[in-house]
Amino acid sequence: QVQLQESGPGLVKPSETLSLTCTVSGGSMSDYYWSWIRQTPGKGLEWIGYVHTSGRSNSNPSLRSRVTMSVNPSKSQISLRLGSVTAADTAVYYCARVTNAISAPGTWFDPWGQGTLVTVSS
Amino acid sequence: DIQMTQSPSSLSASVGDRVTITCRASQNINIYLNWYQQKSGKAPKLLIYGASSLESGVPSRFSGSGSETDFTLTINSLQPDDFATYFCQQSYSTPFTFGPGTKVDIK
Repeated sequence: QVQLQESGPGLVKPSETLSLTCTVSGGSMSDYYWSWIRQTPGKGLEWIGYVHTSGRSNSNPSLRSRVTMSVNPSKSQISLRLGSVTAADTAVYYCARVTNAISAPGTWFDPWGQGTLVTVSS
Repeated sequence: DIQMTQSPSSLSASVGDRVTITCRASQNINIYLNWYQQKSGKAPKLLIYGASSLESGVPSRFSGSGSETDFTLTINSLQPDDFATYFCQQSYSTPFTFGPGTKVDIK
């Protein structure tokens, strides 16, 4: 089955750019949307955005000015860049596949990566 | 943005109990509602999609119901493996949003 694994620096300095990669294994990336979600004790789960293998993307307006997402199907990877970070961006960052089905409306996140903790601190 | 609320924020229950968690949306989201289970230190796991469709491999003691703004996750005969935090999430419109979670612990 499809598995996702996030990777990247665990510590980022304030005002710098957070860069994460999600590697997909066990299945094709094609024709799916791939999402980034983060979790903090204070704000809970927050959807950051999604990107399609075609390059189409959408992001949370609250983060849009700082977010860049991309897909590299040849490497089975999805990337997230979040610029001008502050302590408020300290969180566990997850990647997840956006899934849907004929049997039900809407979309859902499944599966998820294990998550990676990113701390913003000098 | 669509705001999601959940009640209760936490509950204590015993093995074998029936547990009900409520999720409310700030506007009509039809049945574009999903439920996830998260255990400590782990990623959320999909339980229910489309308000009432059980994800493959999820035990049948889990069920979901509701539409428009009010939704329920029910766990029949709570098992030791079910002690976790449960989140609802709407996919009606972006930005997708999650409820704050309901923590189920052992009485």
